[in-house]
Amino acid sequence: QKEVEQDPGPLSVPEGAIVSLNCTYSNSAFQYFMWYRQYSRKGPELLMYTYSSGNKEDGRFTAQVDKSSKYISLFIRDSQPSDSATYLCAMSEGTSYDKVIFGPGTSLSVIP
Amino acid sequence: DVKVTQSSRYLVKRTGEKVFLECVQDMDHENMFWYRQDPGLGLRLIYFSYDVKMKEKGDIPEGYSVSREKKERFSLILESASTNQTSMYLCASSNSQGNTEAFFGQGTRLTVV
Repeated sequence: QKEVEQDPGPLSVPEGAIVSLNCTYSNSAFQYFMWYRQYSRKGPELLMYTYSSGNKEDGRFTAQVDKSSKYISLFIRDSQPSDSATYLCAMSEGTSYDKVIFGPGTSLSVIP
Repeated sequence: DVKVTQSSRYLVKRTGEKVFLECVQDMDHENMFWYRQDPGLGLRLIYFSYDVKMKEKGDIPEGYSVSREKKERFSLILESASTNQTSMYLCASSNSQGNTEAFFGQGTRLTVV
């Protein structure tokens, strides 16, 4: 079993839809959870970062962490064509960045 | 605007060649990283460095080495390129707090023929 699993997609939705992207993980010691967005032919950029369980909202984006289920989600409201990208989840046990584990990414297309 | 710059976007090299991938950051970050990204496998850490002249092996260091002579520059070296090293290579940097955010370069698509 991989440490972090993520449905690779591709996921295709119409503009304005609510998008749900998810990751599952096996290491119960993970405490830091991140979502990165990667546009085609670009490097990843951090979207959101949460510590431990709970929700965090930033504009149209909401990150949720359910540590009891070892499951994290990223919701995108009112999706836009500019949201078309690959979304990578990442997580770690502590503050040392060398131990960050990335998911393989989910490819999202938002159709106008 | 903060930047991590990788010297090449695309490279084609022959099997057995020595390959240098260069990365420069302008954020005065202590930490720098080299990853490779392959479909279905995500980002895998090759090497990282927490300080000048310091290096640590990541998860897949075999066939690679690194150099960090200056704080802003981190180089990845493929000693003798092989076809299984064909991949997207990403450099990243972060500050000493580690987990808050990593800034990535635009990536180098390396093809070994």
